[in-house]
Amino acid sequence: ILNVEQSPQSLHVQEGDSTNFTCSFPSSNFYALHWYRWETAKSPEALFVMTLNGDEKKKGRISATLNTKEGYSYLYIKGSQPEDSATYLCAFGRNTGKLIFGQGTTLQVKP
Amino acid sequence: GAGVSQSPSNKVTEKGKDVELRCDPISGHTALYWYRQSLGQGLEFLIYFQGNSAPDKSGLPSDRFSAERTGGSVSTLTIQRTQQEDSAVYLCASSQQGYEQFFGPGTRLTVL
Repeated sequence: ILNVEQSPQSLHVQEGDSTNFTCSFPSSNFYALHWYRWETAKSPEALFVMTLNGDEKKKGRISATLNTKEGYSYLYIKGSQPEDSATYLCAFGRNTGKLIFGQGTTLQVKP
Repeated sequence: GAGVSQSPSNKVTEKGKDVELRCDPISGHTALYWYRQSLGQGLEFLIYFQGNSAPDKSGLPSDRFSAERTGGSVSTLTIQRTQQEDSAVYLCASSQQGYEQFFGPGTRLTVL
């Protein structure tokens, strides 16, 4: 059974704080690691797709790193804003194309 | 171009009835996925279609659930003899294999 674990389960921060979450996944037969943002009443939207060990990706104030050998990825948000409030999902993929999603980290940013 | 569309957006049905949920993926995407989110739960994989390959049905919770994808495009998820525990948001996503998934708006199913 493939297990994708995310921590913490939920997080409350103040506007302007920087924060990070962890995604851990099986280190064998790695193909890709995806990060999605899922806002309430909307559909998940892709943030990053990472495939190479040591990958670092950035989109605005959000960035992610990948370590495929030890099986983890970090998502960082710099200077959190209320609009960053959402559930952040990571998903592990092998070359079959199927993704296994973690349970997500729910972020609440207070103004 | 158009994104992934799903219909209906909301479906209320009585326990024991059959329902069909439809997904129109992004044109040209070879992969199509069905997920569901039950209340308070994460995203649960149901089934995955890739090109002409046999679908990966490993996530279907019971034999009351089935799905087909016609002509490599539109997909229908059918739930027979619905139960209250089937109430959830059913999400469809499509992608080029190995790339990011694009999700539809979902169908909220309520079984009374």
